[in-house]
Amino acid sequence: DTEVTQTPKHLVMGMTNKKSLKCEQHMGHRAMYWYKQKAKKPPELMFVYSYEKLSINESVPSRFSPECPNSSLLNLHLHALQPEDSALYLCASSQVGEVEVGAFFGQGTRLTVV
Amino acid sequence: DQQVKQNSPSLSVQEGRISILNCDYTNSMFDYFLWYKKYPAEGPTFLISISSIKDKNEDGRFTVFLNKSAKHLSLHIVPSQPGDSAVYFCAASDGNTDKLIFGTGTRLQVFP
Repeated sequence: DTEVTQTPKHLVMGMTNKKSLKCEQHMGHRAMYWYKQKAKKPPELMFVYSYEKLSINESVPSRFSPECPNSSLLNLHLHALQPEDSALYLCASSQVGEVEVGAFFGQGTRLTVV
Repeated sequence: DQQVKQNSPSLSVQEGRISILNCDYTNSMFDYFLWYKKYPAEGPTFLISISSIKDKNEDGRFTVFLNKSAKHLSLHIVPSQPGDSAVYFCAASDGNTDKLIFGTGTRLQVFP
């Protein structure tokens, strides 16, 4: 199993809603990531978890709240988002300290904030 | 401050010919470089990587060249196939973290 599964694939939410994005992998990877990608831009790192602990937060606004409940799951909780937060949210996983072998990405969640 | 740059937003190549995608970086602390391929509505797929202690790495039709003094790397695809049509991102890591910094991407179109 070399897949990273993200749900939902599409999400439309209002600015007062609370929603969560989910990510799951069963490759035994202990590093998991959230990236954000706007149209015609590169993926931008938001958070990194290593061994289920938050290791990197790229100064992301607090309306985005990550959670890593176990080594296979990664969530991104969303609250009071703005329309400019509309983007493709990508989850990825890799072995800790082995970035050179590449991270596996999910298909992403296309988020629209209205 | 874009630390990883791909100055060609698009490239068009005939099937069977060589595709050369370029990438420049500014941070001399980067020690791993990776190439990813992305189709629309999918996540990026890892293609090939190179350590900063090497100047070439080859995997099938894909070869990555690294010129550290010029802070430049390139991905060669030969022969190019229509299925290679996608957006290609180069990415870099400083090796001390698991953080990847992506370039802006190059859209490759391979035509028959």
